This record gives sequence, structure tokens and C-alpha cells, in this order.
Amino acid sequence: DQQVKQNSPSLSVQEGRISILNCDYTNSMFDYFLWYKKYPAEGPTFLISISSIKDKNEDGRFTVFLNKSAKHLSLHIVPSQPGDSAVYFCAARGVWNFNKFYFGSGTKLNVKP
Amino acid sequence: GAGVSQSPRYKVAKRGQDVALRCDPISGHVSLFWYQQALGQGPEFLTYFQNEAQLDKSGLPSDRFFAERPEGSVSTLKIQRTQQEDSAVYLCASSWGGLAGVVRQETQYFGPGTRLLVL
Repeated sequence: DQQVKQNSPSLSVQEGRISILNCDYTNSMFDYFLWYKKYPAEGPTFLISISSIKDKNEDGRFTVFLNKSAKHLSLHIVPSQPGDSAVYFCAARGVWNFNKFYFGSGTKLNVKP
Repeated sequence: GAGVSQSPRYKVAKRGQDVALRCDPISGHVSLFWYQQALGQGPEFLTYFQNEAQLDKSGLPSDRFFAERPEGSVSTLKIQRTQQEDSAVYLCASSWGGLAGVVRQETQYFGPGTRLLVL
């Protein structure tokens, strides 16, 4: 049973516009959330994270929002650039195990020039 | 500096064959993780090491899977009697983990993965 879900397999956005990637989770004991970006033939690279004590974290063009009551997080990329085209994974970790991460199935973002 | 490296990058095995996948973590990283990523899915946790100690192997799918990190640096994931359902990308990640359990929010650095195809 998947505890972290990304229901949109793909997303296409025009360059310069906002990209919004969504992620839902089922376990209320998750307390730390991350987004990873993955290019073909490479491993995932860390992008941004958020602790459950916050509802927003921003890093340059990337902002992650956390809605604990809805068990939902989103990644906003503004403005989107063609180099942002990649697969994005959200991941979560629970208070019961600091070292076990649960990943969603990914969303493939295509930013069109 | 050097990142996490994995070898081989691609491996084709016949069903029933044993395979060994190698991970070289970033030098000095205490924590090491193995993940399995099936086609179209996200990485799925297999096992975790802190130095040479395997602290969590709850994700290993069967007793055909075995991982070791005898000197606390290089790790090997071994799969015995491979089956077709073992076909996946196997990712290794490392993190500093110097204060494991205290410093909780650490970045994991992933290798490029080994793509295993079992025929």
C-alpha cells in the first residue's frame, strides 16, 4: 500500500509560467518531506525539503507548501525553465524511523520553450 | 568532488544467476542506503547501514537479497537466484549521518543506479 502518492504522471508547462507538482500522503506520522529531481540515467538529486512544523519553505524559484490537515504537499516552480524538465519525486519520512524514506511514483515535468 | 558511484551501470542476468552490485559512497559518509526502483515507480527502500552495521533491512523483498558493508565504506548488494521480478534499477545513496538520530534532516546523495535486467 503506497503511503506517498503522486497522482499526475506528467505535467507540461510553458517556459516562464508556474509549475505546480502535487503529492499526497496517508500516514499522519510523517514529519519530514522532501522533493527530488531526476534526469534520465542519473540518480535523484535533492531539491528542497520541509519539516512538519512549517507550512512553507522557499529556495529561489522553488517553494514547497505543506497542508497537514489535507496530508498534501506541493512544489511550485516559478518561473519554469526548460532545464527544469525532469522527473520529480516527493518523499516522506516518519518519526518512528529516521532512516526509512517513502517515495512517490514521480511526475514527469516538461517545460516547453 | 566525487559523488556516489555504482557499478556496473547495466547488468543482464539469466534467471537463476547470482549478481553483485557495488556502491562507492561519498568518502566519509556514515549512512548508506539501497533502494529498488521498478519501471514507472519511485525508489523503494531496501536497507540501511550506519558504518558497517546494517540497522534496517526491512525492505529486502526476500532472503535472496543480501547486503553488506564490511569496512563501513563500499557496499555490495547481492541477489541470489535472480528472478524476472528482480528487474529494476538499484539505487545507492549516502549521507553524512555523523550524528545519526540527532541530526535527522540530512540530504541523501544518490548514485546513478545499476539497471538490472533478468531474462
